[in-house]
Amino acid sequence: NAGVMQNPRHLVRRRGQEARLRCSPVKGHSHVYWYRQLPEEGLKFMVYLQKENIIDESGMPKERFSAEFPKEGPSILRIQQVVRGDSAAYFCASSPPAGREKLFFGSGTQLSVL
Amino acid sequence: KQEVTQIPAALSVPEGENLVLNCSFTDSAIYNLQWFRQDPGKGLTSLLLIQSSQREQTSGRLNASLDKSSGRSTLYIAASQPGDSATYLCAISNTGANSKLTFGKGITLSVRP
Repeated sequence: NAGVMQNPRHLVRRRGQEARLRCSPVKGHSHVYWYRQLPEEGLKFMVYLQKENIIDESGMPKERFSAEFPKEGPSILRIQQVVRGDSAAYFCASSPPAGREKLFFGSGTQLSVL
Repeated sequence: KQEVTQIPAALSVPEGENLVLNCSFTDSAIYNLQWFRQDPGKGLTSLLLIQSSQREQTSGRLNASLDKSSGRSTLYIAASQPGDSATYLCAISNTGANSKLTFGKGITLSVRP
């Protein structure tokens, strides 16, 4: 899974603040995916993006959450007005354009909401 | 809706033992199945990927099998080592691309020296 960079590794926010999580995919990968791992639960799909396009956001909460993958720069997962229930590990993964390849995951961002 | 189950949630074995980790799924119309390893505080590492048309894949001491008709996959680890201690996750894609993987909750393996 070398190459997928997520930052920050740990993020602490107070209720009502905004959280911005960044993900740089493996060089040459044009597909990015975000997953969330809540305590005692498995990883849940959130959103699938290609450069400048959201392909599938069926796993994203309808409010406060948004994601982008601009032409230049990292993918951003943005959570507005965080609540304690948003505390989780957020993982980013990338894959090459073929889509049949293995996913490469980053080390995740652990979000803690106080 | 695809559901993936991994039982038991935790497993402890002595070093050197051969072991099998199980994964079951409810929808047999899968595109592929992957086994991942997750170490504490780390991301996931893909171990093996089995396409829908395949029955098994092997990498070193690992062998993964797929039986779509029964909705089962197994990950076989030969001659287990303490370094194999980690959480093993099974994940399924039901679509053509590697999007929307459905994960099991994982099996936490501890290999005792």
